[in-house]
Order: sequence, then C-alpha cells, then structure tokens
Amino acid sequence: GAVVSQHPSRVICKSGTSVKIECRSLDFQATTMFWYRQFPKKSLMLMATSNEGSKATYEQGVEKDKFLINHASLTLSTLTVTSAHPEDSSFYICSAFKPGLADQDQYFGPGTRLLVL
Amino acid sequence: DQQVKQNSPSLSVQEGRISILNCDYTNSMFDYFLWYKKYPAEGPTFLISISSIKDKNEDGRFTVFLNKSAKHLSLHIVPSQPGDSAVYFCAAKGGSNYKLTFGKGTLLTVNP
Repeated sequence: GAVVSQHPSRVICKSGTSVKIECRSLDFQATTMFWYRQFPKKSLMLMATSNEGSKATYEQGVEKDKFLINHASLTLSTLTVTSAHPEDSSFYICSAFKPGLADQDQYFGPGTRLLVL
Repeated sequence: DQQVKQNSPSLSVQEGRISILNCDYTNSMFDYFLWYKKYPAEGPTFLISISSIKDKNEDGRFTVFLNKSAKHLSLHIVPSQPGDSAVYFCAAKGGSNYKLTFGKGTLLTVNP
C-alpha cells in the first residue's frame, strides 16, 4: 500500500500567526513530496516540490518565504504558512511520490482545511 | 494559461446510465493522463490512467478514451452508481516531468 497522512485535518488561526501542516508517508519512503492548494471550485494548484535533504522547488507565483517547506526525513514534509492572512484560507493537500508503476506514482493525503480569521 | 481543461463544472445522471466526463489539454508534451476522484474535504484518489500510446483503457465500470489528434480524453462510467457521486479531476504529465497538471474538476451527481 501507499498511505499518506496529513495533520491537522483542519485548523483555524488568527491573522498574523504561523501554521504548520505535516505530511507523512506511512508505509513507504518518499524522497519527493508535493504541496497543492485548492480554492473552492478551482483546480488543485501545485505550490512546490519538496525534496528530502534539499531545498524545495516553488512554482511561479508562490512566495517561498511565506510558505516554508521542510523535508527533513524520507517520510515527513512540513508546510508552514507564515504570517497567515485570510486570503491564505484554502484546502492544502500533499502528495508523496513513490516510484513504480507509471500510472499511479503520486499518493495524496486527505488534505488540511486552513481558515485564517 | 490552463493546460488541462474540464469545461463542464457539473454533470447529473440517473443511476444505471452512462456518465461521460470530458477533458481537453493543450500541451503536446503531455504523455500520460490520469483521472482522480475526490470527495469533499478529502484528498484525490486515483481512478484510472492512460498512456499516450493507447487510445483506450478499461478497468471494470471505468473506461478512459484518448484522442491525441483532438487533444481530448473522456472518462466513461457505466453503469453509474450513487456512490460514484464526487468531483472528478483530469490530470496530465509529460516526459520525465512527474509533476501533475490538474483540470478544475467536474462534479458528478448520480441520482438514485
């Protein structure tokens, strides 16, 4: 199997605070993980690619100083939303890359709903 | 610039009938296409995929058709069941790039 968990599943915070979201691959090692954001009725937008032991690669338009990514181990990547504002409220989803069959090599977590007041 | 497009935001079908979800793409470098199913407040789950060297892939009630010349793919679900009600995302990737590009999704509602 290939199970990916996220914690927390839901978080409410005050504007200006920082929020950390964890993404774990439970039964496999993932050198690469991805972070997506989904706004209501919108597509999943790739924010960044998280690589174990090296710096994350951010997509165009994503502020790396605002969305800090740390991939400290082969099973854990964290996304920290720094100085969160209401416009950062969204559904954040991670996926872990497990090389193998080409058809399915990204396994998604259940997502984290962030609400910034 | 949306490289993967799902132009129908929603689709409603009767139980037992066929559901057809459509997806168009613009990037000729895409060579692998995937369909994901997503329930509210959950992550996407993989459903079925197709390589660009094929024009059809079937898995049980789910069949994906690919028309490369038209840069169009479709997902057929038959017979549709109420449990199929979810948002379906089309995704694509190309070459050695394992990044996925997603469409906006289509909300499928299967009525009993």
